[in-house]
Amino acid sequence: GAGVSQTPSNKVTEKGKYVELRCDPISGHTALYWYRQSLGQGPEFLIYFQGTGAADDSGLPNDRFFAVRPEGSVSTLKIQRTERGDSAVYLCASSPTRQSTDTQYFGPGTRLTVL
Amino acid sequence: KQEVTQIPAALSVPEGENLVLNCSFTDSAIYNLQWFRQDPGKGLTSLLLIQSSQREQTSGRLNASLDKSSGRSTLYIAASQPGDSATYLCAVKNYGTYKYIFGTGTRLKVLA
Repeated sequence: GAGVSQTPSNKVTEKGKYVELRCDPISGHTALYWYRQSLGQGPEFLIYFQGTGAADDSGLPNDRFFAVRPEGSVSTLKIQRTERGDSAVYLCASSPTRQSTDTQYFGPGTRLTVL
Repeated sequence: KQEVTQIPAALSVPEGENLVLNCSFTDSAIYNLQWFRQDPGKGLTSLLLIQSSQREQTSGRLNASLDKSSGRSTLYIAASQPGDSATYLCAVKNYGTYKYIFGTGTRLKVLA
């Protein structure tokens, strides 16, 4: 079956622009996570959705970052007024339920470069 | 605050060697620990997941152990192959949360 997919795979933008990153989780997975991975670092948690609602957004760095999941499936991470420090790989993961025992299945990521 | 450390940061070994990757964490109240593999420019692939009540998990040539009281986990790779070359990430999930806290990874290179 299809895994987690993310589009675009690469995004280059200019400082100050707005970007949207999309995540398609595995069909039927109710939990969805966004992480950000800077060069040479491990992924850092941004936000977790259970269904349509953001259950934990404690990892969002500031109010320029926002994420939605309106129908409980596809999610979009939105970044306003991008800064060079936002350059990173943005990873999406999904899991079948919110049980802590569930493995999280990761997508290939979107590499964002802010010039 | 949970912190995860991985040692060594990079490792280069000849093909066929057995090797051990180390992971330590500061808060022992974890729900589970997971080892991931990441190839350049790719996402993460789950290798092994160890629940807090377990001591080890095995899959093929991989064996992961967990000592929660000392805050340590090891990933043992037997008879390493060039195809094992990748970055290996350790991540822990604390009780009451759903997010993983990752280490910075070990970059492994297996030489043919």
